[in-house]
Amino acid sequence: DSGVTQTPKHLITATGQRVTLRCSPRSGDLSVYWYQQSLDQGLQFLIQYYNGEERAKGNILERFSAQQFPDLHSELNLSSLELGDSALYFCASSVSGTLGNEQFFGPGTRLTVL
Amino acid sequence: GQQLNQSPQSMFIQEGEDVSMNCTSSSIFNTWLWYKQDPGEGPVLLIALYKAGELTSNGRLTAQFGITRKDSFLNISASIPSDVGIYFCAGQLSPYGDDMRFGAGTRLTVKP
Repeated sequence: DSGVTQTPKHLITATGQRVTLRCSPRSGDLSVYWYQQSLDQGLQFLIQYYNGEERAKGNILERFSAQQFPDLHSELNLSSLELGDSALYFCASSVSGTLGNEQFFGPGTRLTVL
Repeated sequence: GQQLNQSPQSMFIQEGEDVSMNCTSSSIFNTWLWYKQDPGEGPVLLIALYKAGELTSNGRLTAQFGITRKDSFLNISASIPSDVGIYFCAGQLSPYGDDMRFGAGTRLTVKP
């Protein structure tokens, strides 16, 4: 158990809909990262938040957005969903700001868009 | 962006054999990490490397941070069936670890 929690574990929805994925980082971690992993693919970095502010952006679509709240949990919002958005979405957290900070991953949310 | 080239893509080995996989990049990384992912689960950190030339072991796993800081390898000795999974290398570009890139993964199958 990495200490990172994600909900829900599974999500099935229809095209055009909007969903929200939630992540709680490990206790003490200030950074939260979101990744997308499509079937049999590697991890694609989407976005990072550090202590409530956006810190880095990767290959995140404009239809997707995220935020980190004062209690440090984060939400990833996916809107106008398309079939190709079906994937595993992982959240990771790290202490950040210190040398050699490792990212610890949550169990993921499996999103299926029908 | 900076890409990591991980090889091989997949490996089929017999239980007891040793395994080696590596990652290379055209960019210099400050940190290299190796993760293992089981099906439907999140990646789990195996080894983290912080200095060029560093050689670190974790049980039957050994990883090295290349001298040029552009590559890393992971060795697994005396493989067992539970080693099955996908192994990812990851490199952090900044000292603060904010910008991490992943390799495409090596899928390992171990035959009993």
